[in-house]
Amino acid sequence: DADVTQTPRNRITKTGKRIMLECSQTKGHDRMYWYRQDPGLGLRLIYYSFDVKDINKGEISDGYSVSRQAQAKFSLSLESAIPNQTALYFCATSEGRGYEYYGYTFGSGTRLTVV
Amino acid sequence: QKEVEQNSGPLSVPEGAIASLNCTYSDRGSQSFFWYRQYSGKSPELIMFIYSNGDKEDGRFTAQLNKASQYVSLLIRDSQPSDSATYLCAVTDPSGTYKYIFGTGTRLKVLA
Repeated sequence: DADVTQTPRNRITKTGKRIMLECSQTKGHDRMYWYRQDPGLGLRLIYYSFDVKDINKGEISDGYSVSRQAQAKFSLSLESAIPNQTALYFCATSEGRGYEYYGYTFGSGTRLTVV
Repeated sequence: QKEVEQNSGPLSVPEGAIASLNCTYSDRGSQSFFWYRQYSGKSPELIMFIYSNGDKEDGRFTAQLNKASQYVSLLIRDSQPSDSATYLCAVTDPSGTYKYIFGTGTRLKVLA
């Protein structure tokens, strides 16, 4: 099994629908992140969490919400999907020890299309 | 605005050559630097990180960091067609919030 699992892998939804993207990890990492990737714009941070009680907005959080249900689970919701939220979404995790920085482990991604 | 700049490419090199990928960053406070490889339609995977000025080697990969000039580079020796991918540079956000700022990536094509 993958260390970081995202579901679903692909999703087509209609404008105005609520949708949830799920992420679970077996790495035992404290830090979890949600990014979206758009051609020409790179990876942009939506939300991040350093433990179950810690949720922080990233640079593009409008229109999104998250839930950290457990250390291993971090879900992203689009409350009312709109077409410009069509993108490739990645969940990522990293170790969290003190003030050190660690690289990310990414999930395999969710390709979301809003029509 | 904190920025990480990469040439989008494509950078085309013949098989067996050295590929040189460059990245500049705007904030001198960034402390750690990462290179990720992303194949088309796949997720990024970490290939190297560097914290200190100078070179760091790992197999065919060498990361180079020059904090005074605010650039970090990745050299791939003996390039193979399987190295064809997009390479993303990421630097730590100096605000101290354990986030990373990504460049938009350089697409590398290794020609057989």
